[in-house]
Order: sequence, then structure tokens, then C-alpha cells
Amino acid sequence: DGGITQSPKYLFRKEGQNVTLSCEQNLNHDAMYWYRQDPGQGLRLIYYSQIVNDFQKGDIAEGYSVSREKKESFPLTVTSAQKNPTAFYLCASSLSEGPSYEQYFGPGTRLTVT
Amino acid sequence: GDSVTQMEGPVTLSEEAFLTINCTYTATGYPSLFWYVQYPGEGLQLLLKATKADDKGSNKGFEATYRKETTSFHLEKGSVQVSDSAVYFCALSNGNNRLAFGKGNQVVVIP
Repeated sequence: DGGITQSPKYLFRKEGQNVTLSCEQNLNHDAMYWYRQDPGQGLRLIYYSQIVNDFQKGDIAEGYSVSREKKESFPLTVTSAQKNPTAFYLCASSLSEGPSYEQYFGPGTRLTVT
Repeated sequence: GDSVTQMEGPVTLSEEAFLTINCTYTATGYPSLFWYVQYPGEGLQLLLKATKADDKGSNKGFEATYRKETTSFHLEKGSVQVSDSAVYFCALSNGNNRLAFGKGNQVVVIP
């Protein structure tokens, strides 16, 4: 089955530690995205990548970093510089070309930092 | 920039009631419009979409019509079930691979 996997589903870290969230897709999509979801805030774009070895900052990139070494993978690192990292993180992918740019989402990772 | 506005607050209704969730947008040109649904603890699933004015998207009994004259894409369902309880997000894409989301509406259907 084609889809997007995110692991782990729940992640706990101590303040001051960096943590990396995994995102893998087998949909053969060129574009991948990371969103952060907070209660009552909707989804906010952190980073996105339209092609391997290239990525752009979204609206809330400070304190996060990404890499795109393979088409299938787009890991997100939450660094200790992120002031409020506890949130639900969603990865998505889409075809780069097309009239509707429909995005497909993974199941999410809930990160708790204490 | 592009933006999406959804009606404020959760929506609580009884089973078999009619559901409407309002969505209006601000964008230049001709964006594509989407409704996504999120069940508790899960990611988002595409519910329906429309890519040009007057298109009607439909799926699982839900419908929404792309109204350019009122810049709206309201979601409707004629008879909701308890299983429709979820958070619903309206979103738009304006040809640049980025989705702009509304804040979402929690829908609670009571048996």
C-alpha cells in the first residue's frame, strides 16, 4: 500500500535535547512538507521540499532543520533553539506538478518536551 | 497573502441533522480549494476538492461548491452520523505547492 509513515507516534524528550522526527513516503511524490499543529491554531508550515537536496523555509522555521537526501525521506529535527516544541507534527507529500496540488498526510508524531 | 477563514467555535449537533461549516478565502487568481478531515489522534485525510469556479466537490455524503463571486467553499452534509465527529479544515492552494489552512472546526455528533 502506498502512503506516508511517520515514526514514532509519541516522542518524549527533555528540554535542551535535539530530536529528529522521521517521515517516509512511497507515493513517488517529489514534494514533501512538515507542519506543526497546536490546539485551535490550525496547521502551520515549517519547511517544505520540492526536490531532492533542496528545501525552503515555511512560516515557522526557526528552531527547526530538515534534510532531503532521498526522494522518499524528509526528516525534521527539532532543535533546542525551538522555544515551544511540544506539539503534534504532521508530514505530507504531493506531486510537484498538477492542477490541484493535493497533499497526502501521514499519521503524525506527538512530541512532548519537559 | 492567501488566507482561509472558517467559522468560529465547535459545532455540536444531533445525529441525522444537517451540517454546514462555513469557509471563505482571500486569494489572487484561481486557487484550488479543499476540505480535509482529521479524526482523533490521526493525520489529515482529503475529504473533497474543487479546482475551478462552480465546481462541486463531493465525497461520503459531503458536498462543497466553489463560489468565486462570494469567495466561499462551504461544507454541507444532509444527515450526519456519529462517525462524522472529527475536525474539519478548509484549505486553498494557489499554484505554489503551499496549502493555506483555516483553523479548523470541531464537529461533535450526539446520538
